[in-house]
Amino acid sequence: QSALTQPASVSGSPGQSITISCTGTSSDVGGYNYVSWYQHHPGKAPKLMIYDVSKRPSGVSNRFSGSKSGNTASLTISGLQAEDEADYYCSSYTSSSPWVFGGGTKLTVL
Amino acid sequence: EVQLVESGGGLVQPGGSLRLSCAASGFTFSSYAMSWVRQAPGKGLEWVSGISGSGGATYYADSVNGRFTISRDNSKNTLYLQMNSLRAEDTAVYYCAKDQTIVLVPAANIWGQGALVTVSS
Repeated sequence: QSALTQPASVSGSPGQSITISCTGTSSDVGGYNYVSWYQHHPGKAPKLMIYDVSKRPSGVSNRFSGSKSGNTASLTISGLQAEDEADYYCSSYTSSSPWVFGGGTKLTVL
Repeated sequence: EVQLVESGGGLVQPGGSLRLSCAASGFTFSSYAMSWVRQAPGKGLEWVSGISGSGGATYYADSVNGRFTISRDNSKNTLYLQMNSLRAEDTAVYYCAKDQTIVLVPAANIWGQGALVTVSS
């Protein structure tokens, strides 16, 4: 159950777009369309932002979008806002376990 | 209002046991898979265990397999995590999370606020 690989940190200025990558293998990200992304502000409950690779739950801003190519999934946030500053985690279904998370990416809005 | 409320956290000695509960409200509990996810201090999220809506299928991370047991009582709308043989590395905030389907896939749209478990002598 190896964790998916995410960059430790990314940053961007308000109004810009950023992309967070999530790299796995053909046994997880590449093999299933069950990739999700969570936003986590310290001390609060995680929030589902994207599921099934690119679907957005009701209430989530359309500034958030997801995609996948091969064994790598991506979360793109456009029109960065100060409140987007948080930790972001990808997760995927795997051939050996229903859930595995990425290591997390700290987004800083400059 | 859809809500999950964890309870049962606390301080326990290494080798001890603890049972977490997660009370659900605002949705048909038996229709959804549920999971426990934890975050150790300074670390990322780690999926711990999951259970199908009926309770007939259970899953565990390698790190807790054989020590933790997940269960649910659909008549009481409550999810449980029995934790035995606790280790210092089990110290974390434990979240319960509701999936979007009756079977377990990683798409939890509702989360509790978390319960702190500290394993220390």
